[in-house]
Amino acid sequence: AQTVTQSQPEMSVQEAETVTLSCTYDTSESDYYLFWYKQPPSRQMILVIRQEAYKQQNATENRFSVNFQKAAKSFSLKISDSQLGDAAMYFCAYTPLYNTNAGKSTFGDGTTLTVKP
Amino acid sequence: GAVVSQHPSWVICKSGTSVKIECRSLDFQATTMFWYRQFPKQSLMLMATSNEGSKATYEQGVEKDKFLINHASLTLSTLTVTSAHPEDSSFYICSAREPRPRRGTEAFFGQGTRLTVV
Repeated sequence: AQTVTQSQPEMSVQEAETVTLSCTYDTSESDYYLFWYKQPPSRQMILVIRQEAYKQQNATENRFSVNFQKAAKSFSLKISDSQLGDAAMYFCAYTPLYNTNAGKSTFGDGTTLTVKP
Repeated sequence: GAVVSQHPSWVICKSGTSVKIECRSLDFQATTMFWYRQFPKQSLMLMATSNEGSKATYEQGVEKDKFLINHASLTLSTLTVTSAHPEDSSFYICSAREPRPRRGTEAFFGQGTRLTVV
């Protein structure tokens, strides 16, 4: 079974600075997707960024970028120029593309990010 | 991105009654939808996979008779919590994925439903 581990239950960053959230996962599959979701107090799940496992290039979305290390099964999220609106719970998710579990996402336990003004 | 609408956003019901939660894909056809449960400050736990036109697939430990899932059309899946008890109080979230060949499209989540059983 796939597992996703977020080792940082809580993180804090000063406004305008950079923070990195960690995520590791375990799988025997070679092709899959990885996602970072943001869940603000409203509890709506918002996609932050996604990475296709077969792509070596790290995904980037404006201030958000990932460091994808496939061999190490590591998928960290870097938030640059942190803003107050970035404060939320962040979930790392693994999604297989094939076999009977295709499309089923496994989520990490989440990291609560606090942004200090 | 695609839109998934979940209704109601919150509901309070008496112990012993049943509650139905709807999940609709508004601008795409979802042959598969997923139902998750989330306790406060915890992760999302997959409860079941809803398949259009067939029986839902439940994860281990999830009571099929307690959480009835119906996926009668390509745009609607419903979760009915039967004979609800206070321990069923939780946040329930659905998600839907656009069918292939749009490979790798992310799951679009509904707004979630906060269920409180009193």
